[in-house]
Amino acid sequence: EAQVTQNPRYLITVTGKKLTVTCSQNMNHEYMSWYRQDPGLGLRQIYYSMNVEVTDKGDVPEGYKVSRKEKRNFPLILESPSPNQTSLYFCASSSPPPGGVSAEAFFGQGTRLTVV
Amino acid sequence: AQSVTQLGSHVSVSEGALVLLRCNYSSSVPPYLFWYVQYPNQGLQLLLKYTSAATLVKGINGFEAEFKKSETSFHLTKPSAHMSDAAEYFCAVSEAGGFKTIFGAGTRLFVKA
Repeated sequence: EAQVTQNPRYLITVTGKKLTVTCSQNMNHEYMSWYRQDPGLGLRQIYYSMNVEVTDKGDVPEGYKVSRKEKRNFPLILESPSPNQTSLYFCASSSPPPGGVSAEAFFGQGTRLTVV
Repeated sequence: AQSVTQLGSHVSVSEGALVLLRCNYSSSVPPYLFWYVQYPNQGLQLLLKYTSAATLVKGINGFEAEFKKSETSFHLTKPSAHMSDAAEYFCAVSEAGGFKTIFGAGTRLFVKA
C-alpha cells in the first residue's frame, strides 16, 4: 500500500529537549516536504527536498532542520524546541514536484507536538 | 508572490443542499490549483486538481471545481451534501515547475441532518 508514515503520532516534550520526527514514504517519490498546521493559518511549508541531499527552506523554517540522506526518509529535527512550535506537523511526498502536470501530494497522518 | 484566500472559515449546510466553498488565488504565472480534504485525525487527501487541461474539474466523492481566470477563483462545489462530507477543506496553489505549494487557511464544512 502506498503511504507516507510519520512517527510518533503524538509527542509531548519540554522546552529545549532535542527531538526528531521521522517520515518515510514507499512510493519512490523525489519530492518531500514538511508542513505545520495551525488554526486559522492552514498549512505552512517548513522545508522541502527535491531529492537526496537537496533541501531548501519553505516559509517558516526557523527552529527546524531537515536531512535527506535516503530517498525514502525525510526527518524533521527540532534541536531546541520552544512552546511556539506546538503544532500539528505533516510530511508529504510527491512526484514530480507540485507544479508538475500530474503532481499530487500524499500526506502522512500527522504528528501532534506539544512543547511545554 | 502566490497566495490563497478561502472565504469563510466555517460553512454549514443541510444534508442534500448545495455545497459551495470559495477559493481565490493570486499568482503571477498560470497556476496549478488543488483542493484537499482533511477528515478528523487524518492527513490531507487530494479531492481534485486543475492543471490547465480543462476549466471544469471533477474530483472524487461528487465534488467539482471551476477555474475562472478572470475572477482568479477556483470554487469547490457539490450538488448535494452528505453527512460524510463533514471535514476541513483546503485550497492550494502551486506554480508550474515550482516546488512550493501554498495552502489556504481552510474551511470547515458542517453538514446538518
